[in-house]
Amino acid sequence: ILNVEQSPQSLHVQEGDSTNFTCSFPSSNFYALHWYRWETAKSPEALFVMTLNGDEKKKGRISATLNTKEGYSYLYIKGSQPEDSATYLCALGGSYRGSTLGRLYFGRGTQLTVWP
Amino acid sequence: DGGITQSPKYLFRKEGQNVTLSCEQNLNHDAMYWYRQDPGQGLRLIYYSQIVNDFQKGDIAEGYSVSREKKESFPLTVTSAQKNPTAFYLCASRAGGLGETQYFGPGTRLLVL
Repeated sequence: ILNVEQSPQSLHVQEGDSTNFTCSFPSSNFYALHWYRWETAKSPEALFVMTLNGDEKKKGRISATLNTKEGYSYLYIKGSQPEDSATYLCALGGSYRGSTLGRLYFGRGTQLTVWP
Repeated sequence: DGGITQSPKYLFRKEGQNVTLSCEQNLNHDAMYWYRQDPGQGLRLIYYSQIVNDFQKGDIAEGYSVSREKKESFPLTVTSAQKNPTAFYLCASRAGGLGETQYFGPGTRLLVL
């Protein structure tokens, strides 16, 4: 089992604040790093998949960076809004028998609450 | 519309009873996964399958069984050997390729009577 750590466990911010979370993972045998957003009463929704060291992805006010050599990824939210309130999950993609369809190793998530 | 369907939304199990949770996808994805979520915990992998007629145990497979007879279907049976089955169960699927994301179904909440 690969250990994927996320911090902080929870975060409360005011509307308009910018925030960031960390995902740490073993840097050896890296394949892919996934970020998901999981809103209450909904299914997890994919935000980004990153595969290369130095990758940066952006989707609206949300962006992510990846450092595979040191084993971490940051997720940034600029100008948080109440609708950003959700649990943000990161997951490390694994390989299986040479296939890229191996399992994902999920962290426990960072629960973000944005107050109006 | 393409997607993943899970049924039922809520399921009640009596003591000693086996129950089966359905997961169907029409995305033509090769891989399918079953996760369990308990309050305060992350997603824990029960079983996954990368191809028809093949599947692998995840981290918490004891008390569960699966089958993959068709590409679009991956049912999960919660057996009587699973002593603490009350949880939220999520099914997911993924296409091949390193950069492919995983898509999740709406989930089934299992409760024990």
